[in-house]
Amino acid sequence: GAGVSQSPSNKVTEKGKDVELRCDPISGHTALYWYRQRLGQGLEFLIYFQGNSAPDKSGLPSDRFSAERTGESVSTLTIQRTQQEDSAVYLCASSSRGQGSTGELFFGEGSRLTVL
Amino acid sequence: DAKTTQPNSMESNEEEPVHLPCNHSTISGTDYIHWYRQLPSQGPEYVIHGLTSNVNNRMASLAIAEDRKSSTLILHRATLRDAAVYYCILRDVPPLSSGSARQLTFGSGTQLTVLP
Repeated sequence: GAGVSQSPSNKVTEKGKDVELRCDPISGHTALYWYRQRLGQGLEFLIYFQGNSAPDKSGLPSDRFSAERTGESVSTLTIQRTQQEDSAVYLCASSSRGQGSTGELFFGEGSRLTVL
Repeated sequence: DAKTTQPNSMESNEEEPVHLPCNHSTISGTDYIHWYRQLPSQGPEYVIHGLTSNVNNRMASLAIAEDRKSSTLILHRATLRDAAVYYCILRDVPPLSSGSARQLTFGSGTQLTVLP
C-alpha cells in the first residue's frame, strides 16, 4: 500500500488477556517505530527497528510488552496480561535511511486499545 | 537527543499568519530541526525540516535562528484544518554505515486552535 497500515484499528479486550497489534510499513522503509499515546498525552517511544541491527527496546514499559519484526517488513507488538493502564492508541511509523533520506517518519492511523 | 521547548497552546484567527516558536538551546551541529503535526484522531504527519537555512514548502515555512538555538514554524494563512498539535523535534540522522538505532523523541507540542 501507499502508506503505513495498522490493524486492528480498534481493539477492546478484558484485563489479563493478551493482544497483538500489527504494522505494515511502507515498502522499502528500513526503520520502524512503535509509539504509545494515552488520551490527551504526547507520544511515548516504545521500540525502534532498523534493518538487521539490534532493536532499541529502551522505551518498552515492562516485560509484558514485546515486539518483533520480520526482516524489513511487518512488525507485531504484543502486550501480555493487559492492564487498564495499557489503554491507549498505539502508533507505528516507518522511515527510509536511503541515500539522501532526511529520516522523515510516516505514521499509520494507529490502533486504539481499550482494556476493560 | 537534545530537548525542545514549546508553548503548550496558541490561538490564531482564520486566514491570518501563525508563528509557532520552538527553543532548542542544546542543539548539536548535526541535529536537523523537524516539525510534525497531529490532527485530531490521526497519527502525526511530517510538516517540514531544516538544518541551518530557512525552508519553504507547500505546507509551511521554517525560520531558523542564526545560532540555531530556536526556530519558528510559520503557517502563512491559517485554516480551520490547521488546528492540531504541532511538535518540534531534533533529529540527528546517523550515517548510512552506522548500525546505531535512533529513537525519535516527541515532546508535548503546541496545541494550535484556529478561530473562525
